[in-house]
Amino acid sequence: DTGVSQNPRHKITKRGQNVTFRCDPISEHNRLYWYRQTLGQGPEFLTYFQNEAQLEKSRLLSDRFSAERPKGSFSTLEIQRTEQGDSAMYLCASSSGYGGDTQYFGPGTRLTVL
Amino acid sequence: ILNVEQSPQSLHVQEGDSTNFTCSFPSSNFYALHWYRWETAKSPEALFVMTLNGDEKKKGRISATLNTKEGYSYLYIKGSQPEDSATYLCARGGSQGNLIFGKGTKLSVKP
Repeated sequence: DTGVSQNPRHKITKRGQNVTFRCDPISEHNRLYWYRQTLGQGPEFLTYFQNEAQLEKSRLLSDRFSAERPKGSFSTLEIQRTEQGDSAMYLCASSSGYGGDTQYFGPGTRLTVL
Repeated sequence: ILNVEQSPQSLHVQEGDSTNFTCSFPSSNFYALHWYRWETAKSPEALFVMTLNGDEKKKGRISATLNTKEGYSYLYIKGSQPEDSATYLCARGGSQGNLIFGKGTKLSVKP
């Protein structure tokens, strides 16, 4: 399968714990995006990378969130000291170019914070 | 219009019916308009990317039109099938390439 993959698919954690998600983009894509979807909303942009550089972060990305893409390939999204409000679907997408290019999405990681 | 808005929020149709959804977006500083289909437990699937006013795109029984001057796009499904049941999302391309999504239209097609 040469699509975007995300792991884990589901994560249940207790409030206050740290969690880390991984995204493997389509191999030749240099842009990688993270989005979050909460119940009843469309996906909301969190951050994106051009190769290994993190170029923009949304106001939604609090200090407890950190994202990396160390070698310009896979990316990780870490949430420290999780809160119940962090419960959401976290989606990753990759693309080869800019605003007019298709972004290809992974299946997402469903996070539940108890 | 400040945000991307989609209507209706949900739609129930019978197999064989044709249907359409609306996406409204700010017409200023337009870059691109994306349509996705998202089935439960699957990845959002890209349907169309449209950039030019008057664009019309077609993929099988699904087609879309774009009016950038007035800020709207229509998605049409001809002869709906149960496998068309999904949430249809539209998104406006931002200046940095990020997508600004609407809340989606949830389509249910009854056999």
